[in-house]
Amino acid sequence: AAGVIQSPRHLIKEKRETATLKCYPIPRHDTVYWYQQGPGQDPQFLISFYEKMQSDKGSIPDRFSAQQFSDYHSELNMSSLELGDSALYFCASSFGTVGNTIYFGEGSWLTVV
Amino acid sequence: SQKIEQNSEALNIQEGKTATLTCNYTNYSPAYLQWYRQDPGRGPVFLLLIRENEKEKRKERLKVTFDTTLKQSLFHITASQPADSATYLCALPTGNQFYFGTGTSLTVIP
Repeated sequence: AAGVIQSPRHLIKEKRETATLKCYPIPRHDTVYWYQQGPGQDPQFLISFYEKMQSDKGSIPDRFSAQQFSDYHSELNMSSLELGDSALYFCASSFGTVGNTIYFGEGSWLTVV
Repeated sequence: SQKIEQNSEALNIQEGKTATLTCNYTNYSPAYLQWYRQDPGRGPVFLLLIRENEKEKRKERLKVTFDTTLKQSLFHITASQPADSATYLCALPTGNQFYFGTGTSLTVIP
């Protein structure tokens, strides 16, 4: 079965640069979530979209922005990167939100040097 | 906001024994709760969902209980195997997002 696809899997950027992560949800899933997981940490919710509209916002820095496109894929844009942004970024998708299982992608490793 | 706590220390058990992991939350009881497995550097993988009106849910060697009075969910792995070694996360919905617990690292010793 198709899973959540994330790209790139690994990314190395320098401080103050910009990075863009992409997420392709499971077909027919209309909700996308972004999570950030630092080393040894639990996943922290950043932002979610339902039917291409932002549905909830967590601890996402102002330097980050995201959107969901007409084909339901989503992109997380991170600017003015800081060393502390180095983490594993997960995208997850679900069909609807309430009571439905969310499925995670394999994540995108971002290293800021 | 919801605070979720799982076993604070890593859990080491002998192969064949039952592993029991705990998830405690502090505020309102959610309509449902989910358990995930995460291997190092990989995305969390969904295991089980249990709703507030279900006391217990089973799937193969896995069993989850949900006690809204105690504000606690227990996750059991029976006849544990070394391949069960991973970090297990509980997740609670809040609005349109999910909060994850800190995770419990389980090691099954052959």
